[in-house]
Amino acid sequence: DAGVIQSPRHEVTEMGQEVTLRCKPISGHNSLFWYRQTMMRGLELLIYFNNNVPIDDSGMPEDRFSAKMPNASFSTLKIQPSEPRDSAVYFCASSPEWQGALAFFGQGTRLTVV
Amino acid sequence: AQSVTQLDSQVPVFEEAPVELRCNYSSSVSVYLFWYVQYPNQGLQLLLKYLSGSTLVKGINGFEAEFNKSQTSFHLRKPSVHISDTAEYFCAVSDQAGTALIFGKGTTLSVSS
Repeated sequence: DAGVIQSPRHEVTEMGQEVTLRCKPISGHNSLFWYRQTMMRGLELLIYFNNNVPIDDSGMPEDRFSAKMPNASFSTLKIQPSEPRDSAVYFCASSPEWQGALAFFGQGTRLTVV
Repeated sequence: AQSVTQLDSQVPVFEEAPVELRCNYSSSVSVYLFWYVQYPNQGLQLLLKYLSGSTLVKGINGFEAEFNKSQTSFHLRKPSVHISDTAEYFCAVSDQAGTALIFGKGTTLSVSS
């Protein structure tokens, strides 16, 4: 298995633009997690899904952020409109079980909003 | 809710010296505990995990950690570090009811010759 695949690896966008980050979890994993990593706040859980259903989105910073999981093999994290303070590395992780205990991480998407 | 505190943001050591990276957690329920490593421009890789059983857990690359319930700690140790161990190390907790991992702020381990 290729592991968790995230795209793009790097994204540079202008403030106000819409940004879509993509994630393909490991086949057979039924839990998916989105994290954001910044120098100031470290790794923050944004949202997680179980069997394609959002379970906890309390970590989503504001309404500009939205996440979807239309099927078991694909998820998106969208920021609209983007702001410079959204600049961070966004990680997707998947787990074969309900618990995040066995989460495998993707390589991350480095987002820069200018 | 759980929380994780990594007591040192940076730990510089010389090659072949022992190292301990400290982690304390807070939780009102039983937990699972983890250490992850992140090399520059890479994703996170699981080093080791404590789910149950022996409180001394051995992981990859010669690392081990000890779960101490009374002190709510899960410190990571290695008896002799290499230059290649230079990386960011994250302690994480998950409750046994099944939630996502909650991470500490990370500790940067810098190994020099």
